[in-house]
Amino acid sequence: AQSVTQLDSHVSVSEGTPVLLRCNYSSSYSPSLFWYVQHPNKGLQLLLKYTSAATLVKGINGFEAEFKKSETSFHLTKPSAHMSDAAEYFCVVSERSSASKIIFGSGTRLSIRP
Amino acid sequence: NAGVTQTPKFQVLKTGQSMTLQCAQDMNHEYMSWYRQDPGMGLRLIHYSVGAGITDQGEVPNGYNVSRSTTEDFPLRLLSAAPSQTSVYFCASKNSAGGDQPQHFGDGTRLSIL
Repeated sequence: AQSVTQLDSHVSVSEGTPVLLRCNYSSSYSPSLFWYVQHPNKGLQLLLKYTSAATLVKGINGFEAEFKKSETSFHLTKPSAHMSDAAEYFCVVSERSSASKIIFGSGTRLSIRP
Repeated sequence: NAGVTQTPKFQVLKTGQSMTLQCAQDMNHEYMSWYRQDPGMGLRLIHYSVGAGITDQGEVPNGYNVSRSTTEDFPLRLLSAAPSQTSVYFCASKNSAGGDQPQHFGDGTRLSIL
């Protein structure tokens, strides 16, 4: 069975400070992990993905995430927040060999203070 | 390149009415899927298709039908709308069915059932 937990429903940071969005997962199989971003009234856009290569994954817009198997975590970070980063972020776990075993986290809303 | 296109963007229905949500992709992707997004619950898989002529149920299929007569189109039908189906619906596609493939999302259809 798979599950994913986004530990914070809302994160607020000041512009120019680091961002940390936390995601823990559980999976009976070697998972693929993704982070997506959703801006208001838009669909989800891929930020980055982990599929068993390097454990530190770099994505678009300066975001990166580290896969830590021992901690079953896949936290998303960015060194310096920008106003345009304000959005909803989703952590997703899927089973690599399955077409339907894909679980979305409940989302973390990121707010940026000027 | 339009990507994944969903129509309509907004719709209001009365209980018991039927309607079809349209989804088209121009990336020649084999895999297409439908999700619903409800507050605080992330996205949940309704139905999916691994190729033309092949469809299967996801996590929450009751009350919905799909068909896949072409690679490009994957309509979602609500047979008899109920207030519990008020949600935002997203269509997504990806190159293949493997769980390690990222998905491309449409901008969603916001559906209200009165």
